[in-house]
Amino acid sequence: DGGITQSPKYLFRKEGQNVTLSCEQNLNHDAMYWYRQDPGQGLRLIYYSQIVNDFQKGDIAEGYSVSREKKESFPLTVTSAQKNPTAFYLCASNTGESSPLHFGNGTRLTVT
Amino acid sequence: AQSVTQLGSHVSVSEGALVLLRCNYSSSVPPYLFWYVQYPNQGLQLLLKYTTGATLVKGINGFEAEFKKSETSFHLTKPSAHMSDAAEYFCAVSEDTGGFKTIFGAGTRLFVKA
Repeated sequence: DGGITQSPKYLFRKEGQNVTLSCEQNLNHDAMYWYRQDPGQGLRLIYYSQIVNDFQKGDIAEGYSVSREKKESFPLTVTSAQKNPTAFYLCASNTGESSPLHFGNGTRLTVT
Repeated sequence: AQSVTQLGSHVSVSEGALVLLRCNYSSSVPPYLFWYVQYPNQGLQLLLKYTTGATLVKGINGFEAEFKKSETSFHLTKPSAHMSDAAEYFCAVSEDTGGFKTIFGAGTRLFVKA
């Protein structure tokens, strides 16, 4: 079955370390997205990519970086510059334009 | 700029009662509107979507939503709540701003009492 795979499900890191979250999709979708979810704040867009080798900043891109070298993959790096990185991170994809988003099951990152 | 407001961070209903979750949006162009549901520690699943055409949209699990342009609202309803409906619900809007982005409301957690 087609879908989005995020790994790992839980991730623990020490403050000051960079960490990369994986997101792979086999839906043949052009567009991919990273959202951050915090209690009571809904989902906030970090980065999105509509085609390979191109991506745009979302509303809260500071302290994060991404790459889109392959259509299937859109990894997110949480850098040490992100002031409050502990959160639930969700990767999503769609065919672009106004189509609904398909989500992975998320990665819960805890930084201490 | 687009935005989404969900009224009520928590809603509690009795099993069998009407479910009403409120959503208002702002958009400078005709929007595409969505409702998603999230169960604990999972990603979001699409309940229903409004693009153009009929203003009453039917979704999965007996949910439906009505698009009211004059009120800029897209409220979600279900005639009779079931225990399995307990989850968090998100309203979202997408519009073409030189690329489509989907913006989400803060979410409403639905509790269903036996």
